[in-house]
Amino acid sequence: AQTVTQSQPEMSVQEAETVTLSCTYDTSESDYYLFWYKQPPSRQMILVIRQEAYKQQNATENRFSVNFQKAAKSFSLKISDSQLGDAAMYFCAYRSPTTSGTYKYIFGTGTRLKVLA
Amino acid sequence: NAGVMQNPRHLVRRRGQEARLRCSPMKGHSHVYWYRQLPEEGLKFMVYLQKENIIDESGMPKERFSAEFPKEGPSILRIQQVVRGDSAAYFCASSLTGTEGNTIYFGEGSWLTVV
Repeated sequence: AQTVTQSQPEMSVQEAETVTLSCTYDTSESDYYLFWYKQPPSRQMILVIRQEAYKQQNATENRFSVNFQKAAKSFSLKISDSQLGDAAMYFCAYRSPTTSGTYKYIFGTGTRLKVLA
Repeated sequence: NAGVMQNPRHLVRRRGQEARLRCSPMKGHSHVYWYRQLPEEGLKFMVYLQKENIIDESGMPKERFSAEFPKEGPSILRIQQVVRGDSAAYFCASSLTGTEGNTIYFGEGSWLTVV
């Protein structure tokens, strides 16, 4: 069974600095999708970034980028120039390919990011 | 284009009552997913539906829980005879189709409190 592990329950970063959130996963599949979602105090789940496993290039969205290491099954999120609005819970998620017959997302337990002014 | 709409946002039920949570997917989306989030935990998959069909309900408890996505109207997650352990946030998400390129988009969640 697939699993997603976020080993950092909480992280802090100074405003304007860079922080990296860790995520590892376990799967026997070769083709899958990985996501980072942000959950601010409003509790809404907001998609931050996604990565297709067949793509070697790391995904980037403005200040957010990932370091995808397929062999190591690692998918870390880097937030550059951190802003107060980045403070939230961040969840790493794994999704099997459609050929598996389901769109089941497996979520990690989350990392709470605090941004210090 | 409105996002995924869930209602009610907050629902309080006494033990033994029924809870009904509604989800209207994004316009044009025909795939709906329900997830449950217990306090301080990540989201756990419950069920995946397409119009009039349940595709995967492997995450849904066998008793008291049911879900539907009728041809017309919102998807409904129904919890009968609620117990305190059902208190959680229930998130609905939708996607355009079942093809590879589609990301799912979440609603703002419905918070169920059982007293």
